[in-house]
Amino acid sequence: KAGVTQTPRYLIKTRGQQVTLSCSPISGHRSVSWYQQTPGQGLQFLFEYFSETQRNKGNFPGRFSGRQFSNSRSEMNVSTLELGDSALYLCASSLASGSNTGELFFGEGSRLTVL
Amino acid sequence: GQNIDQPTEMTATEGAIVQINCTYQTSGFNGLFWYQQHAGEAPTFLSYNVLDGLEEKGRFSSFLSRSKGYSYLLLKELQMKDSASYLCAVKNAGNNRKLIWGLGTSLAVNP
Repeated sequence: KAGVTQTPRYLIKTRGQQVTLSCSPISGHRSVSWYQQTPGQGLQFLFEYFSETQRNKGNFPGRFSGRQFSNSRSEMNVSTLELGDSALYLCASSLASGSNTGELFFGEGSRLTVL
Repeated sequence: GQNIDQPTEMTATEGAIVQINCTYQTSGFNGLFWYQQHAGEAPTFLSYNVLDGLEEKGRFSSFLSRSKGYSYLLLKELQMKDSASYLCAVKNAGNNRKLIWGLGTSLAVNP
């Protein structure tokens, strides 16, 4: 079955702009989590959605937001971009929210560069 | 605070055995995970430990000691394709069962 699909794979923006990233989970998976990955900070949890509801949220400013649609597809938005937002944004899907095994299936990420 | 420590880099030789350590201090514990991430690719799940002891899966094994806040990933019969970053992650307990991630250990396997 198809894996987790993220679009776009690469994008370049300038400071002050906003960006929307999209994630299509594995068919049947209802939980989608978003992470920011940078060399210095590693994987930082942004938020998790399950059945269109935000279940968990990380310690990121309000400029970072997300949503999930009825078909489990998810989008995240970053407004008023800053240089420090340059990172790889990873989406991960799983069968259930906070499932005990916790196995996450990651997409290949959207690499954002802010100039 | 919450903290996960792993060595930043390790080097090993093809065919050898390498052990990647992970120590953690988190608010509650509900499982520890190891993921593998090749450069430019998505992380992929390797193992999950929630009880003390060793879990073996082919060439890879993972060990957990909850009392010591310690885990290791053991890779045997190293292959060049094992060159990757290895990420340790701990899931909090309770309602807020988020994954807390280490920075990863970059393993280079040399011929």
